[in-house]
Amino acid sequence: AQSVTQLGSHVSVSEGALVLLRCNYSSSVPPYLFWYVQYPNQGLQLLLKYTSAATLVKGINGFEAEFKKSETSFHLTKPSAHMSDAAEYFCAVSPSGGGADGLTFGKGTHLIIQP
Amino acid sequence: DSGVTQTPKHLITATGQRVTLRCSPRSGDLSVYWYQQSLDQGLQFLIQYYNGEERAKGNILERFSAQQFPDLHSELNLSSLELGDSALYFCASSARESSYNSPLHFGNGTRLTVT
Repeated sequence: AQSVTQLGSHVSVSEGALVLLRCNYSSSVPPYLFWYVQYPNQGLQLLLKYTSAATLVKGINGFEAEFKKSETSFHLTKPSAHMSDAAEYFCAVSPSGGGADGLTFGKGTHLIIQP
Repeated sequence: DSGVTQTPKHLITATGQRVTLRCSPRSGDLSVYWYQQSLDQGLQFLIQYYNGEERAKGNILERFSAQQFPDLHSELNLSSLELGDSALYFCASSARESSYNSPLHFGNGTRLTVT
């Protein structure tokens, strides 16, 4: 079964600093990977997805993620954190990669932005 | 606003009872997914419907059932409720059958408290 592991349940950075949220996947086949964000009292919103066309994926709000097969990783980064980035971030994998399925989510990382 | 509507927002009930959660997908979306979010288990996929038919099943208990109606709205029925069923239940919709080919749009969830 495919799965994702998010390292660090909480990450704290200063406003303007680099944001790095870690995600490692386990998959026997080429994975379909996603990052979602959940703001307080809201549902999840898609940030970006890995399409296999490019290893560096750009998403909304200045976030990007790099797929590294050798490290089985799909870490999320943003060069400069903003207060509005404070939220819960989820890495997810699509089990079947194209057919009917439900995404498998990591446990989430709570991003805290210090002023 | 994702366009996905979930009702009610909050639900408080007693153990042994039965409740029904309702979801109206985004206009034009044919797939509906149900997820359970709790502190200990994280975000767990329960079940997916596509155009009225069950398409994928995740970690859904036998006490839980769901259906999607001809107008595409969906209901999640939870019966013989236990304290451990207390959680946030999300509905998500997408245009296509695969979560890869079209992104999931999440509602704001129904918070269920079982006392």
